[in-house]
Amino acid sequence: GAVVSQHPSWVICKSGTSVKIECRSLDFQATTMFWYRQFPKQSLMLMATSNEGSKATYEQGVEKDKFLINHASLTLSTLTVTSAHPEDSSFYICSATSRDTLYQETQYFGPGTRLLVL
Amino acid sequence: QKEVEQDPGPLSVPEGAIVSLNCTYSNSAFQYFMWYRQYSRKGPELLMYTYSSGNKEDGRFTAQVDKSSKYISLFIRDSQPSDSATYLCAMTLGAQGGSEKLVFGKGTKLTVNP
Repeated sequence: GAVVSQHPSWVICKSGTSVKIECRSLDFQATTMFWYRQFPKQSLMLMATSNEGSKATYEQGVEKDKFLINHASLTLSTLTVTSAHPEDSSFYICSATSRDTLYQETQYFGPGTRLLVL
Repeated sequence: QKEVEQDPGPLSVPEGAIVSLNCTYSNSAFQYFMWYRQYSRKGPELLMYTYSSGNKEDGRFTAQVDKSSKYISLFIRDSQPSDSATYLCAMTLGAQGGSEKLVFGKGTKLTVNP
């Protein structure tokens, strides 16, 4: 249980184009999903917190107009990188919160999407 | 000072060795502690979580939390080459754990040599 998928797993695009990344919780409903970015040999950096049906909360320094997040349902959140530039090339990872039988919540991560902007 | 400090390594051990991975933190308000394993080019995989001081064991893995010292550890017994990965500690301020913002350590890269 608690499987999170991402699509696509990797994408190459030209500078100036927009890229959409999907994050799905496959076997559970997630009221909260998170989007992270990870640069080589660095740890995960939280970009934004996404709650179903409401606007995402962005971390300081993350441009909300550049990284559009939509959490349309309890199993799907999307991240759109608008007008992508080479410096946006990174590994984007989502996570979703699952609640166990003891009502303890845990984040489960997707496999990540590698974005390369040329 | 960063909120969570973790030695990035790399750490290289022979197969069968006991591995000790550690993190220290500065904010005594952290309540919920996790260890994730991340293979190259993959998303992190949750190994263990705990929200109290003491030890928690799961197979070859033992997580230890010492809130008085603000220090957490992950021990791997009988390490295997398949344990080679980057290990990330993470913690949250709230007791709800997963619905809170995770603060990660930088990760320790471990290699277990056959």
